[in-house]
Amino acid sequence: DVKVTQSSRYLVKRTGEKVFLECVQDMDHENMFWYRQDPGLGLRLIYFSYDVKMKEKGDIPEGYSVSREKKERFSLILESASTNQTSMYLCASSLPRGRTGTLYGYTFGSGTRLTVV
Amino acid sequence: KQEVTQIPAALSVPEGENLVLNCSFTDSAIYNLQWFRQDPGKGLTSLLLIQSSQREQTSGRLNASLDKSSGRSTLYIAASQPGDSATYLCAVQNSGYSTLTFGKGTMLLVSP
Repeated sequence: DVKVTQSSRYLVKRTGEKVFLECVQDMDHENMFWYRQDPGLGLRLIYFSYDVKMKEKGDIPEGYSVSREKKERFSLILESASTNQTSMYLCASSLPRGRTGTLYGYTFGSGTRLTVV
Repeated sequence: KQEVTQIPAALSVPEGENLVLNCSFTDSAIYNLQWFRQDPGKGLTSLLLIQSSQREQTSGRLNASLDKSSGRSTLYIAASQPGDSATYLCAVQNSGYSTLTFGKGTMLLVSP
């Protein structure tokens, strides 16, 4: 069964800490994405990557960075966590356009619920 | 900028009813449209993907239609069951990008 795995389901961190959220996929997908989900605001794209060592800003990149050293792993980094970064973080992967012949398009992980206190 | 709207925001029905969830988008230049299901506190599970050249897709009791020119999609759920209770999200992939733009979802409650 193909998977996107997020390393933690729940995290509690203190304001000012550097936080790493890890995501690994086993589908050999080129594309990987980080979203955050907040009540009333829906899912918003933070960063995405089309290939190893490549990254693109999404709609809300401020306060975040990413790392993609290997194809299967995409890390989201909160440089200095703040309370307004308390949220559900969702990682996803997909094949590139033109090769999205699969039925399901995007595959999401189970999410990481981050609380910053 | 693409905007995706889902109506209604919440829906409560008795078990056995057929129901329709609606999704509209402002930019018709889409590559595909995908419907997801999300259970409380969980990630997203993909239900159906419709390519821009298609009109509909079916999976079991689910049928999704796409009218690209009018910027609309519907998700039809037949003979609803309590296990269908979840939030249903619609997302479009625009022609120029691989990223998805999401609606805010419809929260469905099916009561026994």
